Amino acid sequence: QKEVEQNSGPLSVPEGAIASLNCTYSDRVSQSFFWYRQYSGKSPELIMSIYSNGDKEDGRFTAQLNKASQYVSLLIRDSQPSDSATYLCAVNTGFQKLVFGTGTRLLVSP
Amino acid sequence: EAQVTQNPRYLITVTGKKLTVTCSQNMNHEYMSWYRQDPGLGLRQIYYSMNVEVTDKGDVPEGYKVSRKEKRNFPLILESPSPNQTSLYFCASSLSPTSGIRAGELFFGEGSRLTVL
Repeated sequence: QKEVEQNSGPLSVPEGAIASLNCTYSDRVSQSFFWYRQYSGKSPELIMSIYSNGDKEDGRFTAQLNKASQYVSLLIRDSQPSDSATYLCAVNTGFQKLVFGTGTRLLVSP
Repeated sequence: EAQVTQNPRYLITVTGKKLTVTCSQNMNHEYMSWYRQDPGLGLRQIYYSMNVEVTDKGDVPEGYKVSRKEKRNFPLILESPSPNQTSLYFCASSLSPTSGIRAGELFFGEGSRLTVL
């Protein structure tokens, strides 16, 4: 089992819809969780971090964490074509190591 | 402007010809790291450094060397490149040590695309 798993996609949503990106992790003692956005040919950029169970909102982005289910998600409300990118989930595991998922490609159509 | 700068951005080389990819950050970050990104495999850590003169292996260190003589610089050295090192390389830095709760808040360089023929 991979340490951090994401569906590779692509996830296609129409403009204005909610995009839901999911990530599961295997290490139960993981403490912190991050979402990075990577545009094609560009470097990853941190967009959200979450450390405790529940929801964390920042503008159109909401990160959700459920440690019991070992599940973290990213919701993008009112999706825009400019949100089209690959979204990387990263988990700081109990071994003081940051592990990245392989990413989910999001396509937002006008 | 806070940034991580990598050079070269693009490089085509031949098997066995030593090369160095430089990385410099201007944020006074203690932690720096090198990743490679390959299709289907995601970002994999090559080496990291907690501070000057402190480096350690990541998940895929074979064929690579690093050094950290100054806080701002963390070069990646390929002593004898091989075709399987063809990849997109990213340098990243962070204010937080890997053991802190905020560890994982990385700033990435623009990437260096390396092709080894």
